[in-house]
Amino acid sequence: SAVISQKPSRDICQRGTSLTIQCQVDSQVTMMFWYRQQPGQSLTLIATANQGSEATYESGFVIDKFPISRPNLTFSTLTVSNMSPEDSSIYLCSARGTSGSPYEQYFGPGTRLTVT
Amino acid sequence: GNSVTQMEGPVTLSEEAFLTINCTYTATGYPSLFWYVQYPGEGLQLLLKATKADDKGSNKGFEATYRKETTSFHLEKGSVQVSDSAVYFCAPDDGGSQGNLIFGKGTKLSVKP
Repeated sequence: SAVISQKPSRDICQRGTSLTIQCQVDSQVTMMFWYRQQPGQSLTLIATANQGSEATYESGFVIDKFPISRPNLTFSTLTVSNMSPEDSSIYLCSARGTSGSPYEQYFGPGTRLTVT
Repeated sequence: GNSVTQMEGPVTLSEEAFLTINCTYTATGYPSLFWYVQYPGEGLQLLLKATKADDKGSNKGFEATYRKETTSFHLEKGSVQVSDSAVYFCAPDDGGSQGNLIFGKGTKLSVKP
């Protein structure tokens, strides 16, 4: 199994500012992902964080708004840029393990972001 | 692409009641199927999974059977406890090479003592 930690756990930010969320996995994983969970809603995949290359974004999400880094196999960051109140959500980091069939996917505790 | 439809909540049950949360999916192939649970204030945890037709996933008293003929993966538990209060997500994979998950809208379960 993999244990995922995220920092910060929550934050309140002003519109127009940016926030970087960090995600650390306690073991090497093949894939890392970032999801958004808007209040009372399901999870939406933002992007797949690729080690050493640009992230792969889902439809509706762009690099300028959500730049992502993944410098190694256990760490990734998501930045929410030029925030507006519509960005208020829980942002979840996820990682896929290398054992089991299919490979199991693990989730961090989330970062609860409120934009005022 | 694949999609999932999950029973709307919230669901409120008394302790020891029987639970069913319906989940159906559409897919061109045979996706792997998962149920995740999110306890209050926490991230998602894998509850159970099934990878092929007629497989039954089970964990913590919960069960779900992969029904190819009805494209369903309903979650059941015979006797719920207050500690089962959480949001439950059905999630097939998208059938792509990377096996990304597609999450249902989630069903909030509240169990009263």
